[in-house]
Amino acid sequence: NAGVTQTPKFQVLKTGQSMTLQCAQDMNHNSMYWYRQDPGMGLRLIYYSASEGTTDKGEVPNGYNVSRLNKREFSLRLESAAPSQTSVYFCATRTGMATQYFGPGTRLLVL
Amino acid sequence: GQQVMQIPQYQHVQEGEDFTTYCNSSTTLSNIQWYKQRPGGHPVFLIQLVKSGEVKKQKRLTFQFGEAKKNSSLHITATQTTDVGTYFCAPIYNFNKFYFGSGTKLNVKP
Repeated sequence: NAGVTQTPKFQVLKTGQSMTLQCAQDMNHNSMYWYRQDPGMGLRLIYYSASEGTTDKGEVPNGYNVSRLNKREFSLRLESAAPSQTSVYFCATRTGMATQYFGPGTRLLVL
Repeated sequence: GQQVMQIPQYQHVQEGEDFTTYCNSSTTLSNIQWYKQRPGGHPVFLIQLVKSGEVKKQKRLTFQFGEAKKNSSLHITATQTTDVGTYFCAPIYNFNKFYFGSGTKLNVKP
């Protein structure tokens, strides 16, 4: 089992460009999450999806959109990237007991 | 949003010394989790504490949940170089939303 996978691993964007970060899980978990982690900081929740077909805002949703395509996939879209969105993005899933499993992350640089 | 304070921000220890990180919340928590993130890696779940005053051990790691369920600590006895990384607490106020502390970065000198 792959667990939680994220693509791409690295991305460089110019200000104003758009892109979609992909996340997929084979753990059959209902809940999925997108976090960002800035250098030397903790993780901040961007959006989450408690189940297929539902999404909700986290702490820092501005500038992002999400799609819960099916139970396995949860994507994060940046419509018009800004330098302030330079960060490492982690996708995670959650078990019924609230344990979170994280993907390897996507490192994004916006110039 | 919910606020949690994690201290210290950094800790440098000599291998064999002990290490403790603390997580403090202004409001009562439902549960609290602890995660470890190695340099360049992703957070990995360590443990979840549920009960008031709970103490759990994992080899050299001891986790405590305060009696009032507003604070928690992680203590590592006799640190090793493999303990290097950042330790995050993740207090649970709502089982859908998660908040992470800012983390304590541990460096262990051999």
